[in-house]
Amino acid sequence: GAVVSQHPSWVICKSGTSVKIECRSLDFQATTMFWYRQFPKQSLMLMATSNEGSKATYEQGVEKDKFLINHASLTLSTLTVTSAHPEDSSFYICSAPGGGGTDTQYFGPGTRLTVL
Amino acid sequence: GESVGLHLPTLSVQEGDNSIINCAYSNSASDYFIWYKQESGKGPQFIIDIRSNMDKRQGQRVTVLLNKTVKHLSLQIAATQPGDSAVYFCAEKGGSQGNLIFGKGTKLSVKP
Repeated sequence: GAVVSQHPSWVICKSGTSVKIECRSLDFQATTMFWYRQFPKQSLMLMATSNEGSKATYEQGVEKDKFLINHASLTLSTLTVTSAHPEDSSFYICSAPGGGGTDTQYFGPGTRLTVL
Repeated sequence: GESVGLHLPTLSVQEGDNSIINCAYSNSASDYFIWYKQESGKGPQFIIDIRSNMDKRQGQRVTVLLNKTVKHLSLQIAATQPGDSAVYFCAEKGGSQGNLIFGKGTKLSVKP
């Protein structure tokens, strides 16, 4: 199947700092990527839809000024958590449709963010 | 809103037994469903998918059954192995952005 990578795999930062997470489709192009957040022992919740060449679409309750998304190319989307606080500590996962018209979505390995 | 849910939060089985994980969905218009396996600290891994024009689909040691009448989805794992221990999520393609909507997850524990 299609491969999606994320970087970094984990990050620890101080409260008030910003953290950037990258999501890359390695062997296919993705005009759309999705960013999910997962708290411990919970399911994945969609945060936003990243669209190449246009603004991201955010889910209700997700602050667009806090979670900045940039879909710079057909293989890269970035999520920047600005002025991070301890409550932003979570597992952030991106996904992308596998290309070729398939509905199957492939997920990255996730990024564990811990804000002290 | 519409959601996908699971009947059982945890399932413990003996190695070699068959496992059945169930899922109920509420959006009768959903036409595509996926099962994912998620190991601790990792991203979801695709297992098998099924479209609404099918009732059953088989993979290697896994079978997905879809009952549209009662809006029920199940994942069957044959000869469950310790490596199958993980959290399993069903998901439907039903979001307004073409995103997946995930159920709550079932933790499968396999006893040797």
